[in-house]
Amino acid sequence: GENVEQHPSTLSVQEGDSAVIKCTYSDSASNYFPWYKQELGKRPQLIIDIRSNVGEKKDQRIAVTLNKTAKHFSLHITETQPEDSAVYFCAASNSGGYQKVTFGIGTKLQVIP
Amino acid sequence: NAGVTQTPKFQVLKTGQSMTLQCAQDMNHEYMSWYRQDPGMGLRLIHYSVGAGITDQGEVPNGYNVSRSTTEDFPLRLLSAAPSQTSVYFCASSSTGGGTEAFFGQGTRLTVV
Repeated sequence: GENVEQHPSTLSVQEGDSAVIKCTYSDSASNYFPWYKQELGKRPQLIIDIRSNVGEKKDQRIAVTLNKTAKHFSLHITETQPEDSAVYFCAASNSGGYQKVTFGIGTKLQVIP
Repeated sequence: NAGVTQTPKFQVLKTGQSMTLQCAQDMNHEYMSWYRQDPGMGLRLIHYSVGAGITDQGEVPNGYNVSRSTTEDFPLRLLSAAPSQTSVYFCASSSTGGGTEAFFGQGTRLTVV
């Protein structure tokens, strides 16, 4: 089955700096890579996703890059703000049919004002 | 539009007791799943369902049962609670599992003493 590794497990940055979270996956059949943000005490919510036919996707201050050859993808947050503080999960799955989603262990991001 | 509704939000059980966590969605999603979230271990899949009458085991199914009699509901049963089942539980639904956004319930914080 799929295995997703995520690092770092914790990350502290100064407000205004950039943050990068990296994930690797093992199953070459995976073609859908979402990122979820979980604020303290809340449910995970999708913030951005990327499919294997795209190398990069941006949405305002967040971007995701995908390297299919190396089987890794990354989340980039620029100009970090205190409200970016949360746990971020990467995930991987195959979009063909009803497929399970495998999550990484999560990265706790702390943005220091 | 309520999305995914999960109850209860908090629960304390004694070892050996049984209980059912309720999950309902109103988005007509075929795919529903249960995860447990433990520190440093991310979101681990317990059981999932690809439609009414169809369920399957995930990564950590032992000690849990599920059923899917309707598209809307996917309850999780703890048969005989153990301290190792102390965790935060999330129900999620999506239209097809892999390849589509997962919508999570609010979570249940379960403590087994």
